[in-house]
Amino acid sequence: AQKITQTQPGMFVQEKEAVTLDCTYDTSDQSYGLFWYKQPSSGEMIFLIYQGSYDEQNATEGRYSLNFQKARKSANLVISASQLGDSAMYFCAIVTGGGNKLTFGTGTQLKVEL
Amino acid sequence: GAVVSQHPSRVICKSGTSVKIECRSLDFQATTMFWYRQFPKQSLMLMATSNEGSKATYEQGVEKDKFLINHASLTLSTLTVTSAHPEDSSFYICSARDILGQGRETQYFGPGTRLLVL
Repeated sequence: AQKITQTQPGMFVQEKEAVTLDCTYDTSDQSYGLFWYKQPSSGEMIFLIYQGSYDEQNATEGRYSLNFQKARKSANLVISASQLGDSAMYFCAIVTGGGNKLTFGTGTQLKVEL
Repeated sequence: GAVVSQHPSRVICKSGTSVKIECRSLDFQATTMFWYRQFPKQSLMLMATSNEGSKATYEQGVEKDKFLINHASLTLSTLTVTSAHPEDSSFYICSARDILGQGRETQYFGPGTRLLVL
């Protein structure tokens, strides 16, 4: 079984600053994928970024980057130049092996302030 | 990214009635869709995996007779909450698998349906 741990229930950041949201995972599979999703108050889940376990480089998508440290089993999300619209719930998730089920963490509520 | 729609976005129903929620992949075909339930301030809980042309696979503890899933086409899956009760009130959200490229996949989510059972 796999598990995702997000230890920060809430985070605050000032506009234009960078913020790191923590995610650690636990799996015995060698092949897995890590995902980050954003959930605004409207409820929809927005796919942000993906990191494969065999990817040698950290994934980046615009202002989002994933700090993947395989030995530590961590996949932290870094948001650069925070914007007010980044305020939302952020979920880290994992898919392992040949499966297709996402296992989600408990989420981190991010609030971007002026 | 791919677009997934859900209908209705909100529904209020009386206890004992059934409610059908539709999930559609708008610009891609999805052989596999997923149904989740989310309580306030909690994470998503997978209820079932919906497979086109075959029976859905339910997670442990989810009553398949209570939550009927039909994946009749490559772009549509429906979740019917039968004989709804107040404890079924929740946020229901679906997702569909799509290709990211380079052999990778992700799940794209619909906007969710808020169900309130009175």
